[in-house]
Amino acid sequence: EIVMTQSPATLSVSPGETATLSCRASQSVSSHLAWYQQKPGQAPRLLIFDASSRASAIPARFSGSGSGTEFRLIISSLQSDDFAFYYCQHYHHMPPWTFGQGTKVEIK
Amino acid sequence: EVHLVESGGGLVQPGGSLRLSCSASGFTFSTYSMHWVRQAPGKGLEYVSGISSNGGSTYYADSAKGRFVISRDNFKNTLYLQMSSLRSDDTAVYYCAKERTTGWYDFDHWGQGTLVTVSS
Repeated sequence: EIVMTQSPATLSVSPGETATLSCRASQSVSSHLAWYQQKPGQAPRLLIFDASSRASAIPARFSGSGSGTEFRLIISSLQSDDFAFYYCQHYHHMPPWTFGQGTKVEIK
Repeated sequence: EVHLVESGGGLVQPGGSLRLSCSASGFTFSTYSMHWVRQAPGKGLEYVSGISSNGGSTYYADSAKGRFVISRDNFKNTLYLQMSSLRSDDTAVYYCAKERTTGWYDFDHWGQGTLVTVSS
């Protein structure tokens, strides 16, 4: 099983600033990496797929990078709507796939 | 518009069984693999199980193997998860999710989830 490790667990950021979230895979997942946003009481929403492609209707302030084992999600000019939990997930080869434990982005 | 609606959750005693359903609409259900993901209270997302578009291939997380069975009815546009030998650590919101494009990919649509509580 590929283990996904996200850091930090909690990120305190002021509105308007940039947040950088990290995700590390225990072995290479190529570019088969997605990022999801989840707000309390809601289902997750796909933000980024294939490590760096934005999903439909996702603002350009969300960007993803990386390949292999190291990945980043960057949220620039944080808005109030962006304070949420963020999860990475690999979909390398066949299931079962795994999620990272999540990063909470909170208002500083 | 894609809609995924889960049902079948509820309170069940340890060792009991439950069948979850996910009714799909707004897309050609039979051409996409489908998946179940769960989230225990206050915890992160955990992949549970996935099934190919024609139902011929199924996959399970270790936590579900031997106890859960995923299936689908492409005529009814419905995904199922039969859960048995339930334990307290199976308590979670269970989401069904659709892959973004055919061929085992990330999940572009999710249902709102159904809560399963395992408790005596």
